[in-house]
Amino acid sequence: GENVEQHPSTLSVQEGDSAVIKCTYSDSASNYFPWYKQELGKGPQLIIDIRSNVGEKKDQRIAVTLNKTAKHFSLHITETQPEDSAVYFCAASLLRNTPLVFGKGTRLSVIA
Amino acid sequence: DSGVTQTPKHLITATGQRVTLRCSPRSGDLSVYWYQQSLDQGLQFLIQYYNGEERAKGNILERFSAQQFPDLHSELNLSSLELGDSALYFCASSVDTAYNSPLHFGNGTRLTVT
Repeated sequence: GENVEQHPSTLSVQEGDSAVIKCTYSDSASNYFPWYKQELGKGPQLIIDIRSNVGEKKDQRIAVTLNKTAKHFSLHITETQPEDSAVYFCAASLLRNTPLVFGKGTRLSVIA
Repeated sequence: DSGVTQTPKHLITATGQRVTLRCSPRSGDLSVYWYQQSLDQGLQFLIQYYNGEERAKGNILERFSAQQFPDLHSELNLSSLELGDSALYFCASSVDTAYNSPLHFGNGTRLTVT
């Protein structure tokens, strides 16, 4: 089955700096890669996703890149703000075959 | 607000007991997923239902069971509870069975087994 590794487990950045979280997956047939943000006391919320036919996707300060050859994908947050502080999860799945497999999460702290 | 409602928010019970967690999916969503979140294991997929039928099963223990009712709400039943079952249990819903459809998560039920 699919296995997703996520690094780092914790990340502290100064406000205004960039943050990068990386994930690797094991199944080369995986083709959907979403990222979720979980704030304290809440459930995970989808913030961006990418499919395997695309190498990069941006949404304002958030971007995701995918390297299918190396089987890894990354989340980039630019100009970080205190409200970006949360736990971020990457995930991967095969279309119509298996539910999402999540990484173990990265706790991001943005220091004002 | 994701539109997914989970009750109760907190549950404290003793070992050996049985509890039921309830989930109402987002309006229009037919798929319901249950995930377990513990500190060291992240989000673990338990089970998925689509329009009342079981669709996929993950690492769900035999002591656990679930069902989805005609009104599409779902219940997760946990029995013979052990200390290690203490965790956050999340329900998520999506519009269909495609695993590239966005999942909408509820705010979870925190289960504490003493």
